[in-house]
Amino acid sequence: EPEVTQTPSHQVTQMGQEVILRCVPISNHLYFYWYRQILGQKVEFLVSFYNNEISEKSEIFDDQFSVERPDGSNFTLKIRSTKLEDSAMYFCASSEAAGGRQPQHFGDGTRLSIL
Amino acid sequence: DQQVKQNSPSLSVQEGRISILNCDYTNSMFDYFLWYKKYPAEGPTFLISISSIKDKNEDGRFTVFLNKSAKHLSLHIVPSQPGDSAVYFCAASRIQGGSEKLVFGKGTKLTVNP
Repeated sequence: EPEVTQTPSHQVTQMGQEVILRCVPISNHLYFYWYRQILGQKVEFLVSFYNNEISEKSEIFDDQFSVERPDGSNFTLKIRSTKLEDSAMYFCASSEAAGGRQPQHFGDGTRLSIL
Repeated sequence: DQQVKQNSPSLSVQEGRISILNCDYTNSMFDYFLWYKKYPAEGPTFLISISSIKDKNEDGRFTVFLNKSAKHLSLHIVPSQPGDSAVYFCAASRIQGGSEKLVFGKGTKLTVNP
């Protein structure tokens, strides 16, 4: 069964450094998402992306965050100047369409640790 | 953000019995509700969904019930198996302007004892 893959599985970065989290969505999917889960808290929506542009972003997704689909297969999340509070599990998801009939499929996540 | 609530952090059942996981929501504008299962060190895996215009959806051992007047949904697993032991997340989907956003509950850890 096709799956969403994320790399790296664990990223350790010094505060203030830039980090890029990578995702390869399922190949026929058109909608892409990033979520994050801070330890002990809920999974939170960050951003949705369709047709090479951001469809919606949350309050968390401020100017230090950006997303890009640099080629036909990758979908990346960049955090420009990391803060301690960015430490979390980051999940990429993709779907064929927007709506529960075509559910979002998640990768196994990247654990980001900011020192 | 308290739009989706799972009030039971954990649930323990015997193998072969029914597991009932509950979820409450506050926003009437949600279009779909979904259940995801999550094992440690893995991402959430889609289990079953229900449209906001339905009241029941069944898929094998899994049935989701939606009570719109009570803003409540539940996931029934019968019979429960040890492999069902995982964290179960309730999620609500809102579609706006062609974009979808999932709002998650905190999860319920289900343990199925052999």
